[in-house]
Amino acid sequence: AQSVTQLGSHVSVSEGALVLLRCNYSSSVPPYLFWYVQYPNQGLQLLLKYTSAATLVKGINGFEAEFKKSETSFHLTKPSAHMSDAAEYFCAVRSNTGNQFYFGTGTSLTVIP
Amino acid sequence: KAGVTQTPRYLIKTRGQQVTLSCSPISGHRSVSWYQQTPGQGLQFLFEYFSETQRNKGNFPGRFSGRQFSNSRSEMNVSTLELGDSALYLCASSLVGEENTEAFFGQGTRLTVV
Repeated sequence: AQSVTQLGSHVSVSEGALVLLRCNYSSSVPPYLFWYVQYPNQGLQLLLKYTSAATLVKGINGFEAEFKKSETSFHLTKPSAHMSDAAEYFCAVRSNTGNQFYFGTGTSLTVIP
Repeated sequence: KAGVTQTPRYLIKTRGQQVTLSCSPISGHRSVSWYQQTPGQGLQFLFEYFSETQRNKGNFPGRFSGRQFSNSRSEMNVSTLELGDSALYLCASSLVGEENTEAFFGQGTRLTVV
């Protein structure tokens, strides 16, 4: 079975500080991993996705994530937080047998001015 | 290219009623999935349709059903509504046959059951 675990349901950072959102996956096969962001009363927007071509993945809005097989992790980072980054972030793994996604419980990011 | 369109955006229904939600996928996407999002349970997979056939199903009671039309548009139906069905229902469309394809989400339908 595939699953992801997000550590920390709430993260607060100061504007300009490093953002680190944690995600660990469980998969018996190479996983299809994703990070999505959700703003209030909106759907989910793709930030980035892991492809086997590179372990460091760059996404939109300055976010990136590093795939570490030895740690079964896919943490999301951004060097400098902006007020507009305040949102809910979801890590997800896609099924290998269809388009079913398994989501983590989400991390709410607060950016303090 | 237009995104995933869900209608309506908001709904208020009474317990015991039924409701139908609609989703129009991105042009060319033949896979449509539905998710329920609640504060307590998070994002939970309901079902996926591809070529008018249900391909995967989550762990939801039979009151939740769906279908897909030949133009890939999908509808989801919930019968005998319960208070616990209040949630944001998200539809997602995807390509099929490409490795590591992502899901594109609509803005959701906010269902409130009173």
